This record gives sequence, C-alpha cells and structure tokens, in this order.
Amino acid sequence: NAGVTQTPKFRVLKTGQSMTLLCAQDMNHEYMYWYRQDPGMGLRLIHYSVGEGTTAKGEVPDGYNVSRLKKQNFLLGLESAAPSQTSVYFCASTRTVGWETQYFGPGTRLLVL
Amino acid sequence: GENVEQHPSTLSVQEGDSAVIKCTYSDSASNYFPWYKQELGKGPQLIIDIRSNVGEKKDQRIAVTLNKTAKHFSLHITETQPEDSAVYFCAASKSGGGADGLTFGKGTHLIIQP
Repeated sequence: NAGVTQTPKFRVLKTGQSMTLLCAQDMNHEYMYWYRQDPGMGLRLIHYSVGEGTTAKGEVPDGYNVSRLKKQNFLLGLESAAPSQTSVYFCASTRTVGWETQYFGPGTRLLVL
Repeated sequence: GENVEQHPSTLSVQEGDSAVIKCTYSDSASNYFPWYKQELGKGPQLIIDIRSNVGEKKDQRIAVTLNKTAKHFSLHITETQPEDSAVYFCAASKSGGGADGLTFGKGTHLIIQP
C-alpha cells in the first residue's frame, strides 16, 4: 500500500512550456486535492475532485487545469508555465466527505525559469 | 472565504518543555480543525484533529483546544523531544475537510533545543 504518490519529484521548466503532474492513490479514496506550498504562505488549494469525472476550483485555480478520468488518478496541468508557478505541489486524498484524514503525497518541486 | 492566522511563525523551546501554537479562524461556519506536521522534504501528516462540537482532545503528549466563541484553537505539545522539530500547520474547514478541502495557516517552525 503506497498511499499517495506523485510524479515527477522535481522538474525545471522554461516560461511558456507545459507539463502535467500526476497524483495516484491506492486507498480507493473518493476525494482528491491539489495544493501548492510557497515559503511563508502555507498550503493553498488549487483544484479538487469529489469523485471520478468531477473537478472544482479551489482558492488559486488560475493557470491550472485538472482531470480525474480514473478514481485513483488526479492530474494537474500547466498549459503555459510562468515563474509565479514556481512552487512545491502537494496532492492529497481522503476517503469520503467529512472528518476524514487527508493523506498527502511527498510533493513535486517545480521551478519555472 | 475562510482565513486562518497562525502564531508564532517560529518557536524555539528546550527539550522537555512544552510548546503551544495558536490559530484563529474567521468563518464561524468552520467545523473541523486538523493539525499537520511537516518534516523537511516530506508531505504534511495529520497529528490530531478536533470537531466543532468538542472543546478539547488529547493524544499522548499532544492536545488541541478549541474556543468557538473566540474562534481560536491551539496545539499543545508536552515533554518535547528532538523528533518534534518540524513545521506545524493548523487548518480549518466548513465541510469537515471533505468537499472543499482545507484552509491552512502559514505554519510554525518548531525547534527543540537539546
């Protein structure tokens, strides 16, 4: 049982390039989330999904798109990367609605030059 | 939307002493308040949580208190040990941490001095 895994661990992009971050969970969780973590800012919610085929915007969704084609996977896309998107990205999942532990992945460190 | 303030940003205590981290939230509809510990290079990990219908919860050396009237909650760590050194985040949610995720504080870097 690997829990929540994220691919890649680290990536460097040039401004304007695109990429997709992959999050996978093997706990059969319904809810999945993407957060970004910046120094001194805590974690901020980008997008989330309450089930396969559904997505919703969080606090800071601009510049990102997401897809949840399979229950176990949640993809975060950057269509045209900007230096402001340099951050550490964390994926999380939880079993069901309400009062359940959110399990976090190890993070993806992204540097946009 | 919800706003969570966390203090202090850095806390240094002697090994064996107690540490207290405080958070305030803005939305009175928030009903779930978890605390996460993040070690260097890792993702956050839940250490304790409390629901709005409970005033205090304890788990061994860790306790959380909630004051709904004042809209603040605190993390208490007693008999601190070197392995307690990490960044701690408080969070709040209106949906029990489910449908709309969590709103996090900015974190407290806890340093345990030997």
